Amino acid sequence: GQNIDQPTEMTATEGAIVQINCTYQTSGFNGLFWYQQHAGEAPTFLSYNVLDGLEEKGRFSSFLSRSKGYSYLLLKELQMKDSASYLCAPMDSNYQLIWGAGTKLIIKP
Amino acid sequence: DTAVSQTPKYLVTQMGNDKSIKCEQNLGHDTMYWYKQDSKKFLKIMFSYNNKELIINETVPNRFSPKSPDKAHLNLHINSLELGDSAVYFCASSPPGDVDEQFFGPGTRLTVL
Repeated sequence: GQNIDQPTEMTATEGAIVQINCTYQTSGFNGLFWYQQHAGEAPTFLSYNVLDGLEEKGRFSSFLSRSKGYSYLLLKELQMKDSASYLCAPMDSNYQLIWGAGTKLIIKP
Repeated sequence: DTAVSQTPKYLVTQMGNDKSIKCEQNLGHDTMYWYKQDSKKFLKIMFSYNNKELIINETVPNRFSPKSPDKAHLNLHINSLELGDSAVYFCASSPPGDVDEQFFGPGTRLTVL
């Protein structure tokens, strides 16, 4: 079956670095998306990886290892506004996104 | 503004009623989706339309019926509402092509009493 595994909740300190891990099992694979969702709001796109390696985009980076079924989202220089849920969503062979429950990230001063 | 919009933002209704949620996108996208996000925060795909044609119809009760009058609109009609239908419903759209980010509407919080 198809499965996504992410930690339910993480806490980090403002200015620090945090890594949110995601492991997945899908029927086929067409890349993996990360979305950010603030409480009460819609998910917004952060990154897309389809090849192994690290993609850097400002303070946010995303890593993919297809052979391990593993991805992580790295957030640097954390700001209070980064408090949100982070959703890992691989795309299966039918180009359908498979969504995890997300990781709620709490940033403390 | 270019965006995906949904109405209403909040919907409170009694069990057994019929209600509709409207979605419009002015991004020129070909594909539109309806998702349900329950209290556990899982986003579950319900329907996907490409150029007004249904391409994904997950295991959703037939009380839920999507309607796409044109490729910019995908409305969701729900008959005989049940308590378990309470959730946030998100509309989304994506550009042509198999792999593209999805743009989400603000969501409709449905509460069935």
